[in-house]
Amino acid sequence: GENVEQHPSTLSVQEGDSAVIKCTYSDSASNYFPWYKQELGKGPQLIIDIRSNVGEKKDQRIAVTLNKTAKHFSLHITETQPEDSAVYFCAASEGFQKLVFGTGTRLLVSP
Amino acid sequence: GAVVSQHPSWVICKSGTSVKIECRSLDFQATTMFWYRQFPKQSLMLMATSNEGSKATYEQGVEKDKFLINHASLTLSTLTVTSAHPEDSSFYICSALDRAGNIQYFGAGTRLSVL
Repeated sequence: GENVEQHPSTLSVQEGDSAVIKCTYSDSASNYFPWYKQELGKGPQLIIDIRSNVGEKKDQRIAVTLNKTAKHFSLHITETQPEDSAVYFCAASEGFQKLVFGTGTRLLVSP
Repeated sequence: GAVVSQHPSWVICKSGTSVKIECRSLDFQATTMFWYRQFPKQSLMLMATSNEGSKATYEQGVEKDKFLINHASLTLSTLTVTSAHPEDSSFYICSALDRAGNIQYFGAGTRLSVL
């Protein structure tokens, strides 16, 4: 089955800096890669996703890149703000159903 | 975006009792919903896939007799933790697949504490 690894587990940045979180997956059949933001005591919130026919996608300060050959994808957050502080999870699936989540990255943005 | 409501948000129960958690899609119909379990500072683990009008599909290692799932309508799925024990204490999260089958929208989660 699919296995998703995520790094780093913790990331501390200063406000205004960029943050990059990386994930690798094992199943070449996976074709859907969403990123979720989870705040303390809440459910995950989809922030961006990418499908395997696209190499890069951007939405304002957030971008995701996908390298199918290397089986890795990354989340890029530019101009970070304190409200970006949360736990971020990557996930992978074949189709859109059985998501396999990464281990999470705790992002702390200091003012 | 679509809204998924989960109730209750927090429940405390005595060991041996059963607890029911509801997951509702408020503004869309969801033929497929999912139930996840999350331990503190850990990732989400899929427990089961709930399909409206049919039996749920459980992931390996998840006891179907302990975690009863019912998806009786296109907007409601329930998870019942039967004969709960302290080791069942966890954060349970549901999600609903949108009508197009493209995106999972998550509920806010239910924190279960079994004394």
